[in-house]
Amino acid sequence: DGGITQSPKYLFRKEGQNVTLSCEQNLNHDAMYWYRQDPGQGLRLIYYSQIVNDFQKGDIAEGYSVSREKKESFPLTVTSAQKNPTAFYLCASSIVRKNEQFFGPGTRLTVL
Amino acid sequence: QKEVEQNSGPLSVPEGAIASLNCTYSDRGSQSFFWYRQYSGKSPELIMFIYSNGDKEDGRFTAQLNKASQYVSLLIRDSQPSDSATYLCAVTNTNAGKSTFGDGTTLTVKP
Repeated sequence: DGGITQSPKYLFRKEGQNVTLSCEQNLNHDAMYWYRQDPGQGLRLIYYSQIVNDFQKGDIAEGYSVSREKKESFPLTVTSAQKNPTAFYLCASSIVRKNEQFFGPGTRLTVL
Repeated sequence: QKEVEQNSGPLSVPEGAIASLNCTYSDRGSQSFFWYRQYSGKSPELIMFIYSNGDKEDGRFTAQLNKASQYVSLLIRDSQPSDSATYLCAVTNTNAGKSTFGDGTTLTVKP
């Protein structure tokens, strides 16, 4: 089955720790995206990538980092510099310039 | 002013009625427009997209686009309780390679 997987589904982090969220897709899409969603709010773009080894900052990139070493994978690291990281994190992919995005099931991150 | 604005709702309609969801955007260079449905606790799923002025119909859903007014809407005919969800409007300037999402409108369809 083609699709996007994210892991873990739930993640708990102590203050001061870095954590990495996984996102893998087998849709052969070139573009991948990371969003953050807070309760009652829409999606805010963290980072996006349209090609391997290249990525751009979104609207709220501070405190986050990404890599795109493979077409299928776009991991997101939430660093200790992100002061309020508790949120629902969503990964998506699309064909470049089509922007019809397909989303993974998401990761809920909670800072203890 | 937000780049993409939606009525926050909640919007409540009786089963079988037409639900009308509205979205306005500020970037006149926007070329692609999307509606996503998000059930509580789940990730968004794409239900409609529209690129040209006018109406686009898909089953019980109709997307309407008016670029001159910078307005896009979603009509859901014969609303069902299973349509109860938050609907997110997304607007894309293809040159920028990214989409901007509204905060969503929560729809409740009452049996």
